[in-house]
Amino acid sequence: QKEVEQDPGPLSVPEGAIVSLNCTYSNSAFQYFMWYRQYSRKGPELLMYTYSSGNKEDGRFTAQVDKSSKYISLFIRDSQPSDSATYLCAKGAQKLVFGQGTRLTINP
Amino acid sequence: EAQVTQNPRYLITVTGKKLTVTCSQNMNHEYMSWYRQDPGLGLRQIYYSMNVEVTDKGDVPEGYKVSRKEKRNFPLILESPSPNQTSLYFCASSRGLAGITDTQYFGPGTRLTVL
Repeated sequence: QKEVEQDPGPLSVPEGAIVSLNCTYSNSAFQYFMWYRQYSRKGPELLMYTYSSGNKEDGRFTAQVDKSSKYISLFIRDSQPSDSATYLCAKGAQKLVFGQGTRLTINP
Repeated sequence: EAQVTQNPRYLITVTGKKLTVTCSQNMNHEYMSWYRQDPGLGLRQIYYSMNVEVTDKGDVPEGYKVSRKEKRNFPLILESPSPNQTSLYFCASSRGLAGITDTQYFGPGTRLTVL
C-alpha cells in the first residue's frame, strides 16, 4: 500500500461549485500534511499545510485532516477557472511523500 | 529575483552515460530537495538536504547521487542512467522544513529522456 493515496481524477466541475479533493494516508507518525497546486508545465506551489487534526482556512481554501480515519481533504469554495490545475497532497517534514495528484478542471 | 534554476531544461541521453543536472538557488535556503514526476505516480522525492554536507534519502533514491558542498547548489548525479529514469525532474528549496514553515520554491523542471 502506498503511504499516500489520491484519486487521480480527472475531476471536472462548473464554475462556482464547491470542490472536494481527498487523500488517505498510512503511517501516522508525527508529521505535517500539505496541499500543493501545480499548473501545467510548472513546478508545484504550496497552498496550505496543517499539523494534527482539524481545519485550516485560507480564503476560498480549507484543508482538513482527520487523523482517526487517516483522511486529508481540501475544499475549494466558489471555484474559479483559474483553479484548474493538478492538486497534490503530501505528508512529512524533511522527507515528503506525495499522492498521485488530482487533475481538476473548472468549467466557465 | 528569488529563484531556483536548473540546467539543462531538456536532455536526451543514452543508457550508461553519466550525467549531472545542476540546481542552484539564490535565497540562502537551508533545505533543498530533488523530485521526479511521472504520469500516474505523482511527485516522488529522490534526495533532500537540510544544509551543507547533510543529505538524506527520499522515497526513490536508487540510481541517483547528490552532493551539497555549497549552500546554493545541489546537483543530481546519474552515474549510469537507465530508461526507467526517464522523467521530469524538479529541484526545490526552502528556508524551513520542506516548505512547511516557509514556501518551498520549485525550479522550472528538467525533462530527461534516457534511450
